[in-house]
Amino acid sequence: KQEVTQIPAALSVPEGENLVLNCSFTDSAIYNLQWFRQDPGKGLTSLLLIQSSQREQTSGRLNASLDKSSGRSTLYIAASQPGDSATYLCAVGPYNTDKLIFGTGTRLQVFP
Amino acid sequence: EPEVTQTPSHQVTQMGQEVILRCVPISNHLYFYWYRQILGQKVEFLVSFYNNEISEKSEIFDDQFSVERPDGSNFTLKIRSTKLEDSAMYFCASRDMTGRVGETQYFGPGTRLLVL
Repeated sequence: KQEVTQIPAALSVPEGENLVLNCSFTDSAIYNLQWFRQDPGKGLTSLLLIQSSQREQTSGRLNASLDKSSGRSTLYIAASQPGDSATYLCAVGPYNTDKLIFGTGTRLQVFP
Repeated sequence: EPEVTQTPSHQVTQMGQEVILRCVPISNHLYFYWYRQILGQKVEFLVSFYNNEISEKSEIFDDQFSVERPDGSNFTLKIRSTKLEDSAMYFCASRDMTGRVGETQYFGPGTRLLVL
């Protein structure tokens, strides 16, 4: 059974820092891995999607990497800003299914 | 930019009552999903829907739940007799019509359901 874990559970950093969020999954048989942002009480905003054949994806200050063989992904946020404060979720899309399996999230606070 | 919309944003109901949560997926999408998130817990898959039928459902999606695409734009989740443990945020999602599993799912803002 696929399990997705995110570390750390919470992170508080000063503005301007570069930071790394970690996601691990137990079964490497996946189509893709997706990173989402969730603001309090709000929906999920897709940030980056990495297909299983890819190693990384970039969007602005965000870079996500995928090492399928070791069951790990990282989300790198460069030059963090207070507006980046949110919960970041990773989700894997396993083979032979169309659903996403989510991790517990990392709650990020960036203070001025 | 096209987006998934959901109504209502909040719903309070009494235990045992029926509720219908509504979603309007992105217009050219043909694959639809419901997920839920109990407060403080992970987002969990409930059901996927394609070509007017359920393609996959989780253990959570028991006989109390049903989904329907009543017209060309809406996608609904019905809970026949709500329980206290159904209190959660319910998210609708959709993805495009390329047919390839593994493409981005786009999520709506959610409906927060509170069962008293």
